[in-house]
Amino acid sequence: YVLTQPPSLSVAPGKTASITCGGNNIGSKTVHWYQQKPGQAPVLVIYYDNDRPSDIPERFSGSNSGNTATLTINRVEAGDEADYYCQVWDDGDKDHPIFGGGTKLTVL
Amino acid sequence: EVQLVESGGALVQPGGSLRLSCAASGFTFSDHYMDWVRQAPGKGLEWVGRSRNKANSYRTEYASSVKGRFTISRDDSKKSLYLQMNSLKTEDTAMYYCARNILMDALDVWGQGTMVTVSS
Repeated sequence: YVLTQPPSLSVAPGKTASITCGGNNIGSKTVHWYQQKPGQAPVLVIYYDNDRPSDIPERFSGSNSGNTATLTINRVEAGDEADYYCQVWDDGDKDHPIFGGGTKLTVL
Repeated sequence: EVQLVESGGALVQPGGSLRLSCAASGFTFSDHYMDWVRQAPGKGLEWVGRSRNKANSYRTEYASSVKGRFTISRDDSKKSLYLQMNSLKTEDTAMYYCARNILMDALDVWGQGTMVTVSS
């Protein structure tokens, strides 16, 4: 199972960033999203498609339908500049996490 | 504070072995599945393997790229997770992270990582 993310995305401060994650019928799977800043470990920002850990700002949200899952960041800030990875739980015969290739978000 | 701390990374020659450790604190370690994830320099995240919890017989699963060479174990009494890596290859060079696995493979707590370099 392959997850496809755009390698890069540039957004101006205050605008909305939509990072996509494509996969065959991904809407039937559970999707998580991670943020990784340079030199740091990944941080879970969205889990179970659209739930947020308590320490993640409400500006972060997720959706998942059809063949595309999307991480949306509203009112983008300079501190949001990072790599973002989607991940699904493959409950099929592999039964292990699968990561997308990552999207580098640049805040202009 | 919920925390994971990895250790054991080093420079090792191809064909060599290394054992990584991950010390957990601030949560009931024995309740959780625990995963290893790696990241080669400048590359994306790659799942390495998982240890299920006692309720699931400590069953382990591995990525195909490491199966037969890597072994995951845990000691719940020490709140520790281990990754024994044998027959190391240059392509195993990466930062290795341990992570707490909650329902449906969401990895909600990560360590800071430990670097493994395989080179002659």
